[in-house]
Amino acid sequence: GAVVSQHPSRVICKSGTSVKIECRSLDFQATTMFWYRQFPKKSLMLMATSNEGSKATYEQGVEKDKFLINHASLTLSTLTVTSAHPEDSSFYICSASPIRNTQYFGPGTRLTVL
Amino acid sequence: AQSVTQLGSHVSVSEGALVLLRCNYSSSVPPYLFWYVQYPNQGLQLLLKYTTGATLVKGINGFEAEFKKSETSFHLTKPSAHMSDAAEYFCAVSDGNNDMRFGAGTRLTVKP
Repeated sequence: GAVVSQHPSRVICKSGTSVKIECRSLDFQATTMFWYRQFPKKSLMLMATSNEGSKATYEQGVEKDKFLINHASLTLSTLTVTSAHPEDSSFYICSASPIRNTQYFGPGTRLTVL
Repeated sequence: AQSVTQLGSHVSVSEGALVLLRCNYSSSVPPYLFWYVQYPNQGLQLLLKYTTGATLVKGINGFEAEFKKSETSFHLTKPSAHMSDAAEYFCAVSDGNNDMRFGAGTRLTVKP
């Protein structure tokens, strides 16, 4: 149980295009989902917290207009990287939380912007 | 606000040897503490967590950690390392409201 999927697992795009990453909780409902960014050989940096049906809360320094988050249902959250640039290349990981202090992590999405 | 410090970005042990990965935390409230493991190009898998109660927590794959409030530590141990334990390990602290902060990670290498 408690499986979280991400799609796609890997994406390569051209600079200036937008990329959407999906995060789904497969066998549970998640009132809260989190999006993290991980740089090579670095820890996870929390980007934003999203609650179903409401606007995401972004961490300081994260551009909300660049990283659009939609938590449309209790099992789906999406992260759209708008007008992507090479510096947005990274490993993006989502997590889903069915109850407080319990997060299940997705397998991550490797984004490469050319 | 909470934070985590993992001492040693890289730890190398021989197969069969004791594994000790260090984690110290800072929290203004009683902490919830976690250890996660990450294999290359994968997400994080929960090894174990401490919320309340018994301070020695046993997790998966033979790992355990002990919460020591006086030392603000939550070190991860395993009596005998296996080759399959080679991975990146992250310690994390939460304030009880789902606000989780991660340490910088420790890469564990296991030598044959």
